Amino acid sequence: TQLLEQSPQFLSIQEGENLTVYCNSSSVFSSLQWYRQEPGEGPVLLVTVVTGGEVKKLKRLTFQFGDARKDSSLHITAAQPGDTGLYLCAGARGDDKIIFGKGTRLHILP
Amino acid sequence: DAGITQSPRHKVTETGTPVTLRCHQTENHRYMYWYRQDPGHGLRLIHYSYGVKDTDKGEVSDGYSVSRSKTEDFLLTLESATSSQTSVYFCAISRGTSYEQYFGPGTRLTVT
Repeated sequence: TQLLEQSPQFLSIQEGENLTVYCNSSSVFSSLQWYRQEPGEGPVLLVTVVTGGEVKKLKRLTFQFGDARKDSSLHITAAQPGDTGLYLCAGARGDDKIIFGKGTRLHILP
Repeated sequence: DAGITQSPRHKVTETGTPVTLRCHQTENHRYMYWYRQDPGHGLRLIHYSYGVKDTDKGEVSDGYSVSRSKTEDFLLTLESATSSQTSVYFCAISRGTSYEQYFGPGTRLTVT
């Protein structure tokens, strides 16, 4: 059972454009995390959101947790080639584990 | 840097042979995890540990066993490797109340 659905699965855009990727679920999570993974490496934590409606910014990346704590979005402003990678969302339900989505593979064209 | 190392980094083995992957951490974290990552499936939890000798199954535990005799080491064993276990294996530790994961560099395992 895939509890976290990420969309789109793939996204290829030009440098300088804006984009949003989504992470949706029918389950409530106590927190939600976003990771970025580059080829040949392990995922790296970008941010954790905990409160419904919470918005966090990391330079050109804006993360939002849905009011009901079932979904999240990642918005990138003025994408750059260095943003290329696999973006993973993951949700914690308070049982020692987290559930990962399948990821959005982002490619920024120079 | 969470001080996590994995060994080996690459391994090719034959079907039916036993394989053990090692994860080592230097920061004394209580929780450790083993995941596999496959195209189309994302990251899936195999087993995890919440302390020395305390382990539990994840989503895809069949064919795998784990052991944790010391805080710093978490071993993943494939008792009899199969081709379906060809994958990239990641170890992780977690910090904080949100179980934020910090990953090792991964082990690429090929079963022929």
